[in-house]
Amino acid sequence: EADIYQTPRYLVIGTGKKITLECSQTMGHDKMYWYQQDPGMELHLIHYSYGVNSTEKGDLSSESTVSRIRTEHFPLTLESARPSHTSQYLCASTPDYSSTQYFGPGTRLLVL
Amino acid sequence: DQQVKQNSPSLSVQEGRISILNCDYTNSMFDYFLWYKKYPAEGPTFLISISSIKDKNEDGRFTVFLNKSAKHLSLHIVPSQPGDSAVYFCAASASGANSKLTFGKGITLSVRP
Repeated sequence: EADIYQTPRYLVIGTGKKITLECSQTMGHDKMYWYQQDPGMELHLIHYSYGVNSTEKGDLSSESTVSRIRTEHFPLTLESARPSHTSQYLCASTPDYSSTQYFGPGTRLLVL
Repeated sequence: DQQVKQNSPSLSVQEGRISILNCDYTNSMFDYFLWYKKYPAEGPTFLISISSIKDKNEDGRFTVFLNKSAKHLSLHIVPSQPGDSAVYFCAASASGANSKLTFGKGITLSVRP
């Protein structure tokens, strides 16, 4: 199983603030993903990356942006948080030879 | 339109009995299927997967069955334990989709002591 870390685990911020959610993995996986998930709903893919300097938007429109400057690091940024951004954000990675994604512990974001 | 459907939002089972969680899909291009378990405020944990070339895969107490003609898969947990109480997500992937997964909405399993 992949070692994948997310910080912070919980975050409460005010509307209009800029935030960055961190995601790091130590397995050298090229493929990484960001999902948004609300209770009772499926995981929605918002961003993914197939390697350094590669980023793509996912199936769910999101006002966030991502970067992939290093293989192990895939941060997600919200330039101006709004209450509609309140959700759980999940980061995942997968080795090249597999379709099995391994998830981090998630960040629960509450925007007031 | 949802391509992966978990139509039963919840299931309650007594400890020691079998839990059967169902999942249906509509996209015939899906050829790899996974089950994840998720506790509140945590990330999903990979449980078991199955390729479309198989109809059954077993790992300890967990068995996944795939019926391609019906576009249906199920996860069996035997025997069920209170620690199995969680939300279970079904996910599917298609070859050439670069490992992108499509998830269902999840089933909340409660195992009663």
